[in-house]
Amino acid sequence: GNSVTQMEGPVTLSEEAFLTINCTYTATGYPSLFWYVQYPGEGLQLLLKATKADDKGSNKGFEATYRKETTSFHLEKGSVQVSDSAVYFCALAYNQGGKLIFGQGTELSVKP
Amino acid sequence: SQTIHQWPATLVQPVGSPLSLECTVEGTSNPNLYWYRQAAGRGLQLLFYSVGIGQISSEVPQNLSASRPQDRQFILSSKKLLLSDSGFYLCAWRDITKGNTIYFGEGSWLTVV
Repeated sequence: GNSVTQMEGPVTLSEEAFLTINCTYTATGYPSLFWYVQYPGEGLQLLLKATKADDKGSNKGFEATYRKETTSFHLEKGSVQVSDSAVYFCALAYNQGGKLIFGQGTELSVKP
Repeated sequence: SQTIHQWPATLVQPVGSPLSLECTVEGTSNPNLYWYRQAAGRGLQLLFYSVGIGQISSEVPQNLSASRPQDRQFILSSKKLLLSDSGFYLCAWRDITKGNTIYFGEGSWLTVV
């Protein structure tokens, strides 16, 4: 079946450090891939997405590239800020059908 | 523009009491609608999704039910809450005519005591 696997958290970084959160997926066909962010006590917000292989999604300094050959969609940011502390979810969805399949989430904590 | 609202934002209910969480979407028609639950310290679990009025798919057997009485209204219910129903409940929607991005509401915190 389809699934998404993220790296275990929590991830603790110092401000201005480089961030990578790994995400790999198992799926048939060509799903779209997403990163959502959840700030403490809030709902989920779409951070970025990519709809086909080799697409790069980017937003707020974050970026992720849809790699079909490695079935990966790793999230990166060159210089994190304290305000980036949140839980990050990788997810996939198909154009047809209703489901969005999530990874287990990775908590990021950025220290000043 | 499209917006999604769910309420109440916070709820404390005794075991055995009923539950009703409501979600509405504005600015779109015939959306796909979803209920997710996030238990403390865990990921997101899809509970129900609906592709149209009166059409509900249940993902996991449980103590909850969902209904879609109107096109843009999605309700999560229970007749008798259990302690294990505590969690953060998220409503979400998708306009399948405009791609497959799913947008989430603000969430509802349910504590069963």
